[in-house]
Amino acid sequence: SQQGEEDPQALSIQEGENATMNCSYKTSINNLQWYRQNSGRGLVHLILIRSNEREKHSGRLRVTLDTSKKSSSLLITASRAADTASYFCATDTQGGSEKLVFGKGTKLTVNP
Amino acid sequence: GAVVSQHPSWVICKSGTSVKIECRSLDFQATTMFWYRQFPKQSLMLMATSNEGSKATYEQGVEKDKFLINHASLTLSTLTVTSAHPEDSSFYICSARDFRRGVYIQYFGAGTRLSVL
Repeated sequence: SQQGEEDPQALSIQEGENATMNCSYKTSINNLQWYRQNSGRGLVHLILIRSNEREKHSGRLRVTLDTSKKSSSLLITASRAADTASYFCATDTQGGSEKLVFGKGTKLTVNP
Repeated sequence: GAVVSQHPSWVICKSGTSVKIECRSLDFQATTMFWYRQFPKQSLMLMATSNEGSKATYEQGVEKDKFLINHASLTLSTLTVTSAHPEDSSFYICSARDFRRGVYIQYFGAGTRLSVL
């Protein structure tokens, strides 16, 4: 069953603007991770936030986690054309298997 | 981050032939690797979990005789698509799991695009 669900499905912005993507999930988690995928390529791990953390930063990335709402957001500040990619959230279920469950992804297009 | 190498990146084969895809963790040992399939504009679908030294665990609906997985060492897992048919054409991605700072993180290969004629 689908665990992570990202929204929006697609997002188009201008260079320099901020991009916010959201992810919702259904069951309790140990941690939540965000990945990026360029077209036709593998996934690149961006950031991991643990279930006891509320916010985390890495460069231009800011991730928040609200376990009460079972949701997370990924903010990319001062976007660049090179940020154009699909972004996926992935969760590993608390008490469950070691598998990651991926959402459907948000396709971000940053126009120069 | 850690490096996972996947080979080949692209393969075309005739219907009925078998294709082997390799996944290597280059700078860490991975007791567990994963194989995913991704259809155009869709998310990743987990096919199986590959465990070093033991049989792979397949997800429901994935034919184990069709998609043979071998995890012979701590740095190498292979996926063999046997008797490939056009419906097997897809993008296959592997990942290797590493334990860092108290959490497991999956690092992904660049993917293999399989086209079956």
